[in-house]
Amino acid sequence: EIVLTQSPGTLSLSPGERATLSCRASHSISSSYLAWYQQKPGQAPRLLIYATSGRAAGIPDRFSGSGSGTDFTLTISRLEPEDFAVYYCQQYGGSSTFGQGTKVEFK
Amino acid sequence: QVHLVQSGTEVKRPGSSVKVSCKASGGTFNNYAISWVRQAPGQGLEWMGRIIPIGDKTNYAPEFQGRVTMSADKSTSTAYMELHSLRFDDTAVYYCARSPMAVVVMGWCDPWGQGTLVTVSS
Repeated sequence: EIVLTQSPGTLSLSPGERATLSCRASHSISSSYLAWYQQKPGQAPRLLIYATSGRAAGIPDRFSGSGSGTDFTLTISRLEPEDFAVYYCQQYGGSSTFGQGTKVEFK
Repeated sequence: QVHLVQSGTEVKRPGSSVKVSCKASGGTFNNYAISWVRQAPGQGLEWMGRIIPIGDKTNYAPEFQGRVTMSADKSTSTAYMELHSLRFDDTAVYYCARSPMAVVVMGWCDPWGQGTLVTVSS
């Protein structure tokens, strides 16, 4: 089973700042098989990024994804108030697993 | 634009089973897979498995193999997830989500249902 480790656990930032979230895989995965989600309290997760860098429909271009092999990154170029939430990465190759999440909170 | 609507809250005894439904509307049910993901209180997301309604092909996460059954009724565009031998630590919100239909790759999840709270309590 591929284990995904996200860091940091919590990111304390202010609106307008840049957020960089990391997702590290225990084994190399295809860049076609890595997604990112946003989840706000009491809501279902929402797909942001698929296949490492493809933005889902309706997702603002301040969200971008990159990476390859075992190291992947979600970048939020300038945080808006609605971006403070928990973010999860997911690998979905032959099976699927999620990272444990990174919380982006107000500084 | 597909929309997934799940069944309501359940309270179950340890050792019993629960069956959660997920009805798709506004889109083609048969051209996609349905994935199931759960989230224990205050915890992260856990992928349980998926079903491709055409052909009823299922893939289960190893930790649920033998304890979960996923099925689909194509005539009503409804998918089901049944979890057996419930334990206290199965208390969670259970989500269904649409995934691209691919035989080998499990796919991303989009969109998601609203979630179904299952509480296991004696």
